[in-house]
Amino acid sequence: AQSVTQLDSHVSVSEGTPVLLRCNYSSSYSPSLFWYVQHPNKGLQLLLKYTSAATLVKGINGFEAEFKKSETSFHLTKPSAHMSDAAEYFCVVSVPSGGYNKLIFGAGTRLAVHP
Amino acid sequence: DGGITQSPKYLFRKEGQNVTLSCEQNLNHDAMYWYRQDPGQGLRLIYYSQIVNDFQKGDIAEGYSVSREKKESFPLTVTSAQKNPTAFYLCASSIEGAGTLQYFGPGTRLTVL
Repeated sequence: AQSVTQLDSHVSVSEGTPVLLRCNYSSSYSPSLFWYVQHPNKGLQLLLKYTSAATLVKGINGFEAEFKKSETSFHLTKPSAHMSDAAEYFCVVSVPSGGYNKLIFGAGTRLAVHP
Repeated sequence: DGGITQSPKYLFRKEGQNVTLSCEQNLNHDAMYWYRQDPGQGLRLIYYSQIVNDFQKGDIAEGYSVSREKKESFPLTVTSAQKNPTAFYLCASSIEGAGTLQYFGPGTRLTVL
């Protein structure tokens, strides 16, 4: 069965320090993986996606993620946190299902950024 | 200005009433989706539609209904049969066959009083 596990429900960092949001996936297929960000009471915005090209994926706002097949991980990082990065982040895996590509969402990680 | 719109942003409903949430897209996408989001949980798929006049149940379809009469519109009705309807509802769309990237609307927060 396909699944996504976000290892931390909450992460708190100081402004200017690195961010690490962890994600492990389980998939029988060669997966497509995504990170989305959601600010309060807003829709989801795509940060980045992995679709079997380069294993290090660069996204918007300075975020990047590395696909590690041996570890079944797709952790999200940013070298220096900004106050505006405070939001909820979702790791998502896409798998074929009944003729279409189904998205399976992790439970989310809430990132807090302190001055 | 292309995108997905959902209305209303906030919706209040009395118990026992049906309510319809609107979702419109002008991205010319074939596929559309409805998700439900509860606090501390990821999104769960309610219904999806790959083409006009066709839709399929997702993981939590009980108590919900949809229609897809036009490519750009995919309204969701929350019926009185839905036991716990208070949640944040998100609509999405994608170009099926061109990858799995889904674009999301801003959401509707439904509260049952």
